[in-house]
Amino acid sequence: RKEVEQDPGPFNVPEGATVAFNCTYSNSASQSFFWYRQDCRKEPKLLMSVYSSGNEDGRFTAQLNRASQYISLLIRDSKLSDSATYLCAFLGGGNKLTFGTGTQLKVEL
Amino acid sequence: DVKVTQSSRYLVKRTGEKVFLECVQDMDHENMFWYRQDPGLGLRLIYFSYDVKMKEKGDIPEGYSVSREKKERFSLILESASTNQTSMYLCAGSDRRVQETQYFGPGTRLLVL
Repeated sequence: RKEVEQDPGPFNVPEGATVAFNCTYSNSASQSFFWYRQDCRKEPKLLMSVYSSGNEDGRFTAQLNRASQYISLLIRDSKLSDSATYLCAFLGGGNKLTFGTGTQLKVEL
Repeated sequence: DVKVTQSSRYLVKRTGEKVFLECVQDMDHENMFWYRQDPGLGLRLIYFSYDVKMKEKGDIPEGYSVSREKKERFSLILESASTNQTSMYLCAGSDRRVQETQYFGPGTRLLVL
């Protein structure tokens, strides 16, 4: 089983839709989890951290399910500018991040 | 705002050339990392460093070496570039004192002909 797995997509959604991505991980010792956003031909940028209690930042909500070993990202009221690739990552030993291969989102008019 | 810079955005080299990719961070972070990113394979860790003059192999170190002579600078070296090293190279930094995520530089797109 891969350390981190994401559906590559693409997820094609209309503007205003709600969309959710999941990311499963195999290392039960993982302590910290993150969602990154990566625009085409650009570097990944931190979108939000994922806490055990879940966290929300505007239209974005991140959840952690330790029992089932996955994290999720929910985007409400999608905007055209949300089109990007979303990478999940978890922090293992030695401050090393393990990344998923990303889920591509395309928001359309 | 944290800042990680990389010496080149685009680079074209020939097979067999020695290639230096430079990364500088102004965050005073101890940890620095080099990744390569390829379609379908995601981000793969090449080398990392937790302190000056210290280096550790990542998941795919073959064909690469690194240098960390100063805290703010972490260099990736391709001793003899090969076509399968054509890729996007990303440098990142993070703070060892906290369980925190990494901040990336803009990346260098390397083409080896």
